[in-house]
Amino acid sequence: GAGVSQTPSNKVTEKGKYVELRCDPISGHTALYWYRQSLGQGPEFLIYFQGTGAADDSGLPNDRFFAVRPEGSVSTLKIQRTERGDSAVYLCASRKAGVFTDTQYFGPGTRLTVL
Amino acid sequence: AQKVTQAQTEISVVEKEDVTLDCVYETRDTTYYLFWYKQPPSGELVFLIRRNSFDEQNEISGRYSWNFQKSTSSFNFTITASQVVDSAVYFCALRSSNTGKLIFGQGTTLQVKP
Repeated sequence: GAGVSQTPSNKVTEKGKYVELRCDPISGHTALYWYRQSLGQGPEFLIYFQGTGAADDSGLPNDRFFAVRPEGSVSTLKIQRTERGDSAVYLCASRKAGVFTDTQYFGPGTRLTVL
Repeated sequence: AQKVTQAQTEISVVEKEDVTLDCVYETRDTTYYLFWYKQPPSGELVFLIRRNSFDEQNEISGRYSWNFQKSTSSFNFTITASQVVDSAVYFCALRSSNTGKLIFGQGTTLQVKP
């Protein structure tokens, strides 16, 4: 497809479990962002990749959260020892290479529910 | 600190009414970018407009128009002759020139009734 894709669309897990959320950016977009959107709130920044490296991870809430982008395309957000407070929609966005003025295009999100 | 405030939590109008969504931002950057996104019930954020801090010209796109005023740090969004399909949550966002991340407001839920 032409847009950003995210899998799974929904994920239900139990407290304490490990989860992985996947993002496939628009082809040719080298910048990739993860955001988290809690119910009734605007998205909040988590981490930004330029190519394979995390250029800004200041939004990750704690060390249970980690993200990788090993080949500069697909990214995986990993959450260890999930807590009920991690329940949210996790959004991924991508942008064209190297130009901050370009727009971020968002995927449909993964709704994570921690029971 | 950078911040975006959308003071209107919910707005309800009747179809064909005009409606304005307010956005006020805070930043110390001299170069920055402002955005509006639409989030329909399906959940996906849809890009509507980008405006940089050097361009204060108002913009019109069909029934949509945007009023950017640096003097009041506002970037308001007006929908003319609203339609039921305009019902959604609308987010205003700020991006500084030296970072890539977007800072979103809390969103305004617009309900357009037939």
